[in-house]
Amino acid sequence: QKEVEQNSGPLSVPEGAIASLNCTYSDRVSQSFFWYRQYSGKSPELIMSIYSNGDKEDGRFTAQLNKASQYVSLLIRDSQPSDSATYLCAVNSGTYKYIFGTGTRLKVLA
Amino acid sequence: EAGVTQFPSHSVIEKGQTVTLRCDPISGHDNLYWYRRVMGKEIKFLLHFVKESKQDESGMPNNRFLAERTGGTYSTLKVQPAELEDSGVYFCASSRRTVLANYGYTFGSGTRLTVV
Repeated sequence: QKEVEQNSGPLSVPEGAIASLNCTYSDRVSQSFFWYRQYSGKSPELIMSIYSNGDKEDGRFTAQLNKASQYVSLLIRDSQPSDSATYLCAVNSGTYKYIFGTGTRLKVLA
Repeated sequence: EAGVTQFPSHSVIEKGQTVTLRCDPISGHDNLYWYRRVMGKEIKFLLHFVKESKQDESGMPNNRFLAERTGGTYSTLKVQPAELEDSGVYFCASSRRTVLANYGYTFGSGTRLTVV
C-alpha cells in the first residue's frame, strides 16, 4: 500500500463546475497536509495547507480533512481552464519530510 | 524575493558519465531539500540540509549520489557514474523553518535528467 494515494486521472470537468480531488494516507500520526499544483514542466506550487479536521477555504479552493478516515480532499469551485494541472497531495508527520502522492491530472474543458 | 533556482534545467548524459546538479535556495533559508521524481512515480525525498550539515540522507538511492552544501548556501548533487534508472526530475526546495507543521516548501523548477 502506498503511503499517500491519489487517483492519477485525468479528471475532466467542464468550465465553471466543481472539481473534487481526493487523497488518502496511511500514517495515522500525520499532522499536516498540503496541496500543490504543478503545471507541466514547472515547479510544484503550494496552494493549500490544512492540519485540523474540517474545511479550510481560500478563494475558490477548499481543503477538507478527515483524520479518522485518513483522507484529505481539495475542491475547486468555478473551475477555469487555467486550473488544468497536476495536483499533488503531500503529507507531513511533524518533521521536515513530505510524503507525496503521484498526483491527479485535472483537465478543465472550455 | 528570488525563488529557488536550479540548473541546468535539462541534462542528457550517457550511462557511466558524471552529472552535477546545482540548487540555489532562497536567501536566508537554512533548510534545503532534494527530492526526485522518477517517471510515473511520486516525488520522493532524497536528503535534507540545515545550513551545511546533512540532517537526513536516508532517501539517497545509493553511494553513486553525493550531495554537498559548502558554506551553507548553494547545494550540489552529483551522480557518478550515472545509470539509466537515475533519469527523472530532481527538485530542490528550501524553507526557513525545520518543523513544517503549518508551512510549505518553496520548490525550484527542477532539473530533468535523462541518462541514455
